[in-house]
Amino acid sequence: DTAVSQTPKYLVTQMGNDKSIKCEQNLGHDTMYWYKQDSKKFLKIMFSYNNKELIINETVPNRFSPKSPDKAHLNLHINSLELGDSAVYFCASSSWDRPYEQYFGPGTRLTVT
Amino acid sequence: TQLLEQSPQFLSIQEGENLTVYCNSSSVFSSLQWYRQEPGEGPVLLVTVVTGGEVKKLKRLTFQFGDARKDSSLHITAAQPGDTGLYLCAGAVPNSGYELNFGKGTSLLVTP
Repeated sequence: DTAVSQTPKYLVTQMGNDKSIKCEQNLGHDTMYWYKQDSKKFLKIMFSYNNKELIINETVPNRFSPKSPDKAHLNLHINSLELGDSAVYFCASSSWDRPYEQYFGPGTRLTVT
Repeated sequence: TQLLEQSPQFLSIQEGENLTVYCNSSSVFSSLQWYRQEPGEGPVLLVTVVTGGEVKKLKRLTFQFGDARKDSSLHITAAQPGDTGLYLCAGAVPNSGYELNFGKGTSLLVTP
Protein backbone atom coordinates (compact mmCIF):
# COMPACT_ATOMS: atom_id res chain seq x y z
CA ASP A 1 0.00 0.00 0.00
CA THR A 2 1.26 3.45 -0.90
CA ALA A 3 1.66 5.59 2.22
CA VAL A 4 1.68 9.02 0.57
CA SER A 5 0.42 9.30 -2.98
CA GLN A 6 0.26 12.19 -5.40
CA THR A 7 -1.44 12.72 -8.71
CA PRO A 8 -0.50 13.45 -11.37
CA LYS A 9 3.12 12.30 -11.57
CA TYR A 10 3.79 14.67 -14.47
CA LEU A 11 1.99 17.89 -15.35
CA VAL A 12 2.76 19.98 -18.41
CA THR A 13 0.80 23.16 -18.88
CA GLN A 14 0.99 26.64 -20.34
CA MET A 15 1.62 29.91 -18.60
CA GLY A 16 -1.48 31.50 -17.16
CA ASN A 17 -3.34 28.25 -16.57
CA ASP A 18 -4.70 27.07 -13.22
CA LYS A 19 -3.84 23.56 -12.06
CA SER A 20 -4.19 21.33 -9.02
CA ILE A 21 -2.07 18.55 -7.57
CA LYS A 22 -3.71 16.01 -5.29
CA CYS A 23 -2.17 14.33 -2.26
CA GLU A 24 -3.46 11.55 -0.05
CA GLN A 25 -1.89 9.79 2.90
CA ASN A 26 -3.10 6.57 4.51
CA LEU A 27 -0.76 6.68 7.50
CA GLY A 28 -3.27 8.27 9.85
CA HIS A 29 -1.04 11.32 10.20
CA ASP A 30 -2.48 14.63 11.30
CA THR A 31 -0.03 17.01 9.65
CA MET A 32 0.62 17.37 5.95
CA TYR A 33 3.04 19.47 3.95
CA TRP A 34 3.88 20.72 0.50
CA TYR A 35 7.49 21.14 -0.56
CA LYS A 36 9.04 22.51 -3.75
CA GLN A 37 12.27 21.02 -5.10
CA ASP A 38 14.06 23.18 -7.64
CA SER A 39 16.33 22.14 -10.47
CA LYS A 40 19.31 22.07 -8.10
CA LYS A 41 17.48 19.57 -5.86
CA PHE A 42 16.98 22.12 -3.06
CA LEU A 43 13.91 21.17 -1.07
CA LYS A 44 11.95 24.00 0.51
CA ILE A 45 8.80 23.95 2.64
CA MET A 46 5.80 25.74 1.19
CA PHE A 47 3.00 24.92 3.63
CA SER A 48 2.24 22.82 6.64
CA TYR A 49 -1.36 22.02 7.61
CA ASN A 50 -2.43 20.62 10.97
CA ASN A 51 -5.90 20.44 12.51
CA LYS A 52 -7.11 23.05 10.07
CA GLU A 53 -4.25 25.37 10.98
CA LEU A 54 -2.30 26.48 7.98
CA ILE A 55 1.28 27.65 8.30
CA ILE A 56 2.55 29.39 5.22
CA ASN A 57 6.10 30.00 4.19
CA GLU A 58 6.12 33.73 3.64
CA THR A 59 8.04 33.43 0.39
CA VAL A 60 5.24 31.47 -1.31
CA PRO A 61 3.17 33.59 -3.72
CA ASN A 62 -0.53 33.78 -2.97
CA ARG A 63 -1.18 32.11 -6.33
CA PHE A 64 -0.51 28.91 -4.43
CA SER A 65 -3.26 27.71 -2.11
CA PRO A 66 -3.51 24.42 -0.21
CA LYS A 67 -6.91 22.89 0.28
CA SER A 68 -7.66 20.10 2.75
CA PRO A 69 -11.04 18.40 2.31
CA ASP A 70 -10.21 16.04 5.19
CA LYS A 71 -7.37 14.89 7.38
CA ALA A 72 -6.01 12.47 4.78
CA HIS A 73 -5.86 14.89 1.87
CA LEU A 74 -3.99 18.10 1.15
CA ASN A 75 -4.30 19.36 -2.39
CA LEU A 76 -2.28 22.16 -3.95
CA HIS A 77 -3.98 24.60 -6.25
CA ILE A 78 -1.93 26.97 -8.37
CA ASN A 79 -3.41 29.96 -10.19
CA SER A 80 -1.94 31.84 -13.14
CA LEU A 81 1.04 29.54 -13.58
CA GLU A 82 4.41 31.13 -14.37
CA LEU A 83 7.56 29.70 -15.94
CA GLY A 84 9.32 29.90 -12.58
CA ASP A 85 6.78 27.54 -11.05
CA SER A 86 8.37 24.66 -12.96
CA ALA A 87 9.74 22.29 -10.34
CA VAL A 88 9.00 19.03 -8.58
CA TYR A 89 6.38 19.34 -5.85
CA PHE A 90 6.32 16.90 -2.97
CA CYS A 91 3.60 16.21 -0.49
CA ALA A 92 4.58 14.84 2.92
CA SER A 93 2.94 13.89 6.18
CA SER A 94 3.88 13.29 9.80
CA SER A 95 2.29 12.33 13.11
CA TRP A 96 1.72 14.69 16.01
CA ASP A 97 4.27 12.96 18.24
CA ARG A 98 7.06 12.85 15.62
CA PRO A 99 6.47 15.91 13.48
CA TYR A 100 9.98 16.00 12.08
CA GLU A 101 9.87 12.47 10.74
CA GLN A 102 8.13 13.27 7.52
CA TYR A 103 7.05 10.77 4.88
CA PHE A 104 7.14 11.99 1.33
CA GLY A 105 5.09 11.21 -1.73
CA PRO A 106 6.67 10.37 -5.10
CA GLY A 107 6.50 13.94 -6.35
CA THR A 108 4.78 15.76 -9.20
CA ARG A 109 6.99 17.21 -11.91
CA LEU A 110 5.36 20.43 -13.09
CA THR A 111 6.55 21.95 -16.34
CA VAL A 112 5.18 25.33 -17.36
CA THR A 113 5.70 26.28 -21.00
CA THR B 1 15.68 30.08 7.78
CA GLN B 2 18.51 28.23 9.50
CA LEU B 3 20.95 27.12 6.84
CA LEU B 4 22.41 23.64 6.57
CA GLU B 5 25.53 23.18 4.47
CA GLN B 6 26.25 19.74 3.11
CA SER B 7 29.61 18.56 1.80
CA PRO B 8 30.70 17.28 -0.52
CA GLN B 9 28.06 18.26 -3.06
CA PHE B 10 29.01 15.38 -5.37
CA LEU B 11 30.83 12.15 -4.64
CA SER B 12 31.74 9.40 -7.07
CA ILE B 13 33.40 6.31 -5.64
CA GLN B 14 33.93 2.65 -6.41
CA GLU B 15 32.15 -0.21 -4.76
CA GLY B 16 33.79 -1.19 -1.49
CA GLU B 17 35.11 2.25 -0.57
CA ASN B 18 34.16 4.14 2.58
CA LEU B 19 32.81 7.68 2.59
CA THR B 20 31.61 10.40 4.91
CA VAL B 21 29.07 13.12 4.20
CA TYR B 22 28.88 16.20 6.39
CA CYS B 23 26.00 18.45 7.36
CA ASN B 24 26.93 21.68 9.14
CA SER B 25 25.16 24.70 10.52
CA SER B 26 25.80 27.62 12.82
CA SER B 27 22.38 27.07 14.38
CA VAL B 28 21.16 24.57 16.94
CA PHE B 29 18.53 22.06 15.89
CA SER B 30 16.21 20.11 18.15
CA SER B 31 16.70 17.06 15.95
CA LEU B 32 18.27 16.18 12.65
CA GLN B 33 17.01 13.81 9.98
CA TRP B 34 18.80 12.10 7.11
CA TYR B 35 16.92 11.20 3.96
CA ARG B 36 17.89 9.41 0.76
CA GLN B 37 16.26 10.32 -2.51
CA GLU B 38 16.49 8.26 -5.69
CA PRO B 39 15.76 9.70 -9.15
CA GLY B 40 12.07 10.22 -9.79
CA GLU B 41 11.09 9.45 -6.21
CA GLY B 42 10.47 11.28 -2.97
CA PRO B 43 12.97 11.44 -0.10
CA VAL B 44 12.91 8.42 2.19
CA LEU B 45 13.64 8.89 5.88
CA LEU B 46 16.74 6.99 7.03
CA VAL B 47 17.23 8.13 10.60
CA THR B 48 16.49 10.77 13.23
CA VAL B 49 19.08 11.89 15.76
CA VAL B 50 18.00 13.93 18.74
CA THR B 51 20.63 13.97 21.46
CA GLY B 52 23.98 15.76 21.13
CA GLY B 53 26.71 13.19 20.51
CA GLU B 54 24.19 10.52 19.54
CA VAL B 55 25.37 7.79 17.18
CA LYS B 56 22.97 5.55 15.25
CA LYS B 57 23.77 2.67 12.95
CA LEU B 58 21.69 1.37 10.09
CA LYS B 59 23.51 -1.64 8.61
CA ARG B 60 26.58 -0.10 6.87
CA LEU B 61 25.45 3.49 7.57
CA THR B 62 26.56 5.32 10.72
CA PHE B 63 24.97 8.62 11.67
CA GLN B 64 26.32 11.00 14.27
CA PHE B 65 24.83 14.17 15.76
CA GLY B 66 27.34 16.75 16.95
CA ASP B 67 27.67 17.46 20.66
CA ALA B 68 26.31 20.98 20.19
CA ARG B 69 23.50 19.74 17.91
CA LYS B 70 24.68 21.98 15.07
CA ASP B 71 26.15 19.38 12.78
CA SER B 72 25.91 15.77 11.72
CA SER B 73 27.76 13.21 9.66
CA LEU B 74 26.84 10.13 7.69
CA HIS B 75 29.49 7.46 7.20
CA ILE B 76 29.00 4.59 4.77
CA THR B 77 31.23 1.55 5.05
CA ALA B 78 31.97 -0.59 1.99
CA ALA B 79 29.65 1.33 -0.31
CA GLN B 80 27.52 -0.60 -2.78
CA PRO B 81 25.87 0.50 -6.04
CA GLY B 82 22.53 0.36 -4.23
CA ASP B 83 23.72 3.23 -2.02
CA THR B 84 23.64 5.56 -5.02
CA GLY B 85 21.33 8.50 -4.51
CA LEU B 86 20.91 11.99 -3.14
CA TYR B 87 21.48 12.22 0.60
CA LEU B 88 19.70 15.06 2.34
CA CYS B 89 20.05 16.25 5.90
CA ALA B 90 17.19 18.17 7.47
CA GLY B 91 17.20 20.05 10.75
CA ALA B 92 14.18 20.62 12.94
CA VAL B 93 14.02 24.27 13.93
CA PRO B 94 13.40 24.69 17.68
CA ASN B 95 10.01 26.13 18.62
CA SER B 96 8.97 26.39 14.99
CA GLY B 97 6.16 23.90 14.94
CA TYR B 98 6.90 21.45 12.19
CA GLU B 99 9.51 23.31 10.16
CA LEU B 100 12.34 21.30 8.63
CA ASN B 101 15.26 23.03 6.95
CA PHE B 102 16.90 20.89 4.31
CA GLY B 103 20.51 20.96 3.15
CA LYS B 104 21.19 21.05 -0.59
CA GLY B 105 22.15 17.41 -0.63
CA THR B 106 25.09 15.20 -1.48
CA SER B 107 24.76 13.29 -4.71
CA LEU B 108 26.50 9.91 -4.34
CA LEU B 109 27.39 7.61 -7.21
CA VAL B 110 28.81 4.18 -6.43
CA THR B 111 30.13 2.32 -9.44
CA PRO B 112 30.73 -1.46 -9.54
